[in-house]
Amino acid sequence: DVKVTQSSRYLVKRTGEKVFLECVQDMDHENMFWYRQDPGLGLRLIYFSYDVKMKEKGDIPEGYSVSREKKERFSLILESASTNQTSMYLCASGNYEQYFGPGTRLTVT
Amino acid sequence: EDQVTQSPEALRLQEGESSSLNCSYTVSGLRGLFWYRQDPGKGPEFLFTLYSAGEEKEKERLKATLTKKESFLHITAPKPEDSATYLCAVRSSSNTGKLIFGQGTTLQVKP
Repeated sequence: DVKVTQSSRYLVKRTGEKVFLECVQDMDHENMFWYRQDPGLGLRLIYFSYDVKMKEKGDIPEGYSVSREKKERFSLILESASTNQTSMYLCASGNYEQYFGPGTRLTVT
Repeated sequence: EDQVTQSPEALRLQEGESSSLNCSYTVSGLRGLFWYRQDPGKGPEFLFTLYSAGEEKEKERLKATLTKKESFLHITAPKPEDSATYLCAVRSSSNTGKLIFGQGTTLQVKP
């Protein structure tokens, strides 16, 4: 079975803090993805990576950066968290179908 | 522009009352259509991939079908545990690295 894990299920941060969300997959997938999901807006792609040290902007990259130093690990970074980044963050991996992690519910106060 | 539209937004069924969810798509060239199930507060769970018109896939009470313009997720004799949001996504030839998701259909099955 494909396993995608995320570092935290719930996270509360203050405005201006630097936030790291980590994702690990165990299926040797080249492709990994970060989404955010908000009521009424659906799933929106933030960034994706198709290889180590490679990254591509998704639909809403502003305010975010990513890092992929190892194939199995893809990190999402909020350089200076803002309240409008309060959301559910979902990591996925897969070379064709995408398999999702459990999600991190981030609250920025 | 690649687009996916799901209907209805919400569906309430009685236990045992069969129905279908719709996913309409417009893409430059379909490279796969995907169905997911999402429970509240959790990540989407992969259900099916369909590649070409006429293809069907089944899993327990769920059956997915595909035509050139839409896909249906048929739910036969649903149970309360089938309550969830069902998401449809497509991969197109112009965006092979990404999936385009619909907004989802939230299904509630009452006992």
